[in-house]
Amino acid sequence: EVQLVESGGGLVKPGGSLRLSCVASGFTFSTYSMNWVRQAPGKGLEWVSCISFRSNYINYVDSVKGRFIISRDNAKNSVFLLMNSLRAEDTAVYYCARDAGNYGANRRAFDFWGPGTMVSVSS
Amino acid sequence: QSALTQPASVSGSPGQSITISCTGTTNDIGGYNYVSWYQQHPGKAPKLMIYDVSDRPSGVSNRFSGSKSGNTASLTISGLQAEDEADYYCSSYTSSSTLDVVFGGGTKLTVL
Repeated sequence: EVQLVESGGGLVKPGGSLRLSCVASGFTFSTYSMNWVRQAPGKGLEWVSCISFRSNYINYVDSVKGRFIISRDNAKNSVFLLMNSLRAEDTAVYYCARDAGNYGANRRAFDFWGPGTMVSVSS
Repeated sequence: QSALTQPASVSGSPGQSITISCTGTTNDIGGYNYVSWYQQHPGKAPKLMIYDVSDRPSGVSNRFSGSKSGNTASLTISGLQAEDEADYYCSSYTSSSTLDVVFGGGTKLTVL
């Protein structure tokens, strides 16, 4: 059974940092691209970042470029999101999601999602 | 403002069919067949219902179908059931250099 479990969320002051983790199980993690998608309270979904299965392709939404860093450790079946210089508008549930295609055949469709971890940025 | 445009709400009675539209541009929906649809119940993670415009993942009911014409994609749910009441989001690959995936603003489906 495919499972994704996020952790690392919490309450942080503006300008602070958090590192989110997502541990995967039930599939060959090293062959799939992974993504972070967020959802602000009462709002819609927003794609945040993706990393290819070999980490040779990485992209971010404009609003987090220069502040967030995505990475992965295929030996530990994990993907991470280091969030720096956090702002109030970064407050959201952050989901880890798997791309439906493997070995680089990305479909930009997310077939498995974690339950999410809440990040709150407030003074 | 979301990159893809969806109606804020739709409604239908049990057994009826409804269609949710999702309008983009030639840089996303109109240019690629990487359109997906997600169902999200309150407090839950989204669930993939349709990918590649019209393909259903294993386990998704065939009451859900997807299509595309020009820059507009559509999700049709036939034989509405109470458990279909949820938020629905479309998404698409985009050729924008600053994004990989764009989502619609979401549509609240109410089963009357």
